[in-house]
Formats: sequence, structure tokens, C-alpha cells
Amino acid sequence: DAGVIQSPRHEVTEMGQEVTLRCKPISGHNSLFWYRQTMMRGLELLIYFNNNVPIDDSGMPEDRFSAKMPNASFSTLKIQPSEPRDSAVYFCASSLPRRLATDTQYFGPGTRLTVL
Amino acid sequence: AQSVTQLDSQVPVFEEAPVELRCNYSSSVSVYLFWYVQYPNQGLQLLLKYLSGSTLVKGINGFEAEFNKSQTSFHLRKPSVHISDTAEYFCAVEIQGAQKLVFGQGTRLTINP
Repeated sequence: DAGVIQSPRHEVTEMGQEVTLRCKPISGHNSLFWYRQTMMRGLELLIYFNNNVPIDDSGMPEDRFSAKMPNASFSTLKIQPSEPRDSAVYFCASSLPRRLATDTQYFGPGTRLTVL
Repeated sequence: AQSVTQLDSQVPVFEEAPVELRCNYSSSVSVYLFWYVQYPNQGLQLLLKYLSGSTLVKGINGFEAEFNKSQTSFHLRKPSVHISDTAEYFCAVEIQGAQKLVFGQGTRLTINP
């Protein structure tokens, strides 16, 4: 299996621009998670989906952030407009349904975002 | 709310020495416990997890952890470390059934030759 795939791996953009991060979960996984990692705040859960439906978006910082999962094999995290404080590493993770008693989240390699 | 405290931000040890990375959690309900490892410029990889049963959990790369409910701890140990264990280690908790992971701030393990 290819694991969780994220693109791009690195993104440098200017303040005010729109940024779109992409994630392809592991095939057969129906839960998908977006995390953000910064030095100041560590690893934070932004939002997660079950069966393509957003379950908890309480970690999304503000309205500038939005996430979608149009189908089981693709998700996006969009920031519009971007700000320098959004600079971080964004991770996507996926897992099997909880009813299968598998509680492991598999993480992608991350997207390092720099907003100038 | 749940919280996780990793008591050491950095732990330097010599190669082949034992190591313990400490993790304490706070929760009013039952939780699952995890340790993840992050190698430089990579994503997180699961080392081990405690869901139920035996409180001593063995993971990959020779690591093990012990769940202590009375002390609300889940310390990670390895009897003899290798240079390749240099990485950042994260402890995490999840309310049973909630699917949300709450991470500690991480412990950077540095192995000196």
C-alpha cells in the first residue's frame, strides 16, 4: 500500500493568496483527519471526517480555513486568504472504521506551508 | 477535557543506554493511549498503543510502555537505544469511542555515540 499521500510536500506563498492542500487516504479507510503542527502549539487536530462527512471541525482556527471530502479517496484543506501565522506543517491521517476495532491513525508525510 | 503532559522536552542519552520518556495524562473518562515517533521531515508512525488488557504494551523497534491507571501515566521505555532511535516522540490520548487524538508536546530523543 502506498500509505497516505499528501501534496504538495512544500508550499511557499505570499500573504493573501489562496492555498489548497491535498490528501489521498489509504484505500478502505473511511476516517480522515487533518492536523497542524507548529513549534508553539504542537500537534492540533483541525477537523475529521467519517464516510466523507465532517464530524468535528472545532479545531479549525477560523473561517479562512475550510476542508472538504468529496469522495472516499480525496480531501482538501483550503486557506483563503493565507496569513504568515498559518505557516506550519499540515498532516493528513486516515484510519479504518472504529467498529472494526482498529484504532490506528496512519499519517501522511505532511505539507510544509510557508506564508511570506 | 483531556490533556497530555510530556515531562521532558529533550532527552539526551548515550548509545546502548536505557531510556524512559515520560507521559502523564488527564481525563475524567476512559481513554486509549498511544506513542508515535516522528523522524526528521517525516510523518508520525505508531510505536505502540494501549486499548485494554495487559498494562505492559510492546511495540516496534524494541520499545515498550506501561499503563498505570492510578498514576495516569504511560511511560515509554527501551532497554538499549540505537543511533537510529534519534527522533521526536509523541504521547497521545483518545477518549474511548471519540476518535480524536490529543497529543503531548513531544520529547526529542537524541542519541550520542
